[in-house]
Amino acid sequence: GAVVSQHPSWVICKSGTSVKIECRSLDFQATTMFWYRQFPKQSLMLMATSNEGSKATYEQGVEKDKFLINHASLTLSTLTVTSAHPEDSSFYICSARVSGTGYNSPLHFGNGTRLTVT
Amino acid sequence: GENVEQHPSTLSVQEGDSAVIKCTYSDSASNYFPWYKQELGKRPQLIIDIRSNVGEKKDQRIAVTLNKTAKHFSLHITETQPEDSAVYFCAASPPNFGNEKLTFGTGTRLTIIP
Repeated sequence: GAVVSQHPSWVICKSGTSVKIECRSLDFQATTMFWYRQFPKQSLMLMATSNEGSKATYEQGVEKDKFLINHASLTLSTLTVTSAHPEDSSFYICSARVSGTGYNSPLHFGNGTRLTVT
Repeated sequence: GENVEQHPSTLSVQEGDSAVIKCTYSDSASNYFPWYKQELGKRPQLIIDIRSNVGEKKDQRIAVTLNKTAKHFSLHITETQPEDSAVYFCAASPPNFGNEKLTFGTGTRLTIIP
């Protein structure tokens, strides 16, 4: 149980275009999802907290107009990288916590999306 | 906010020996400390976690210890096997009414030498 599906697993796009990444909780509801970014051989850096039915909360230094997050349902959050540039190339991973499981219940991660901007 | 430091960054261990990875955290309010294993290009997988109300937790060859006073926690892997080779991340989070955010350490690349 507690499977998080992320799509696409990899994407190559040209500079200036936008890319949408989907994160779905397949067998549970997730009021809150988290988006992380990971550079090669580095740690996971939290970008934003996605809340169902409300605006996302962004971490300091993350541009909310560049990384658009929408959490329209209890099973789907999307991250759109707008006007992508080569420096946006990275591994993006979403994660989710089963709703109603109390404080600090385990986070379940998606498989990640490797974005390459040419 | 929370800051988590992790050491060592790389660790090579002979197969069958034990491996220890250590983390320190800064926020005394943090009460949840998971450990994740990540293989190359794959998702982080939770391998063990500990909450602040206990000092040690064990699951077969894996154990985690927590020292709240010193604000550090450690991962212990005994009888290491080649499939234990991966990057391990510690993390910490303070309580936040179900919206807890995990802050990750910088990772330890563990290599098991056959």
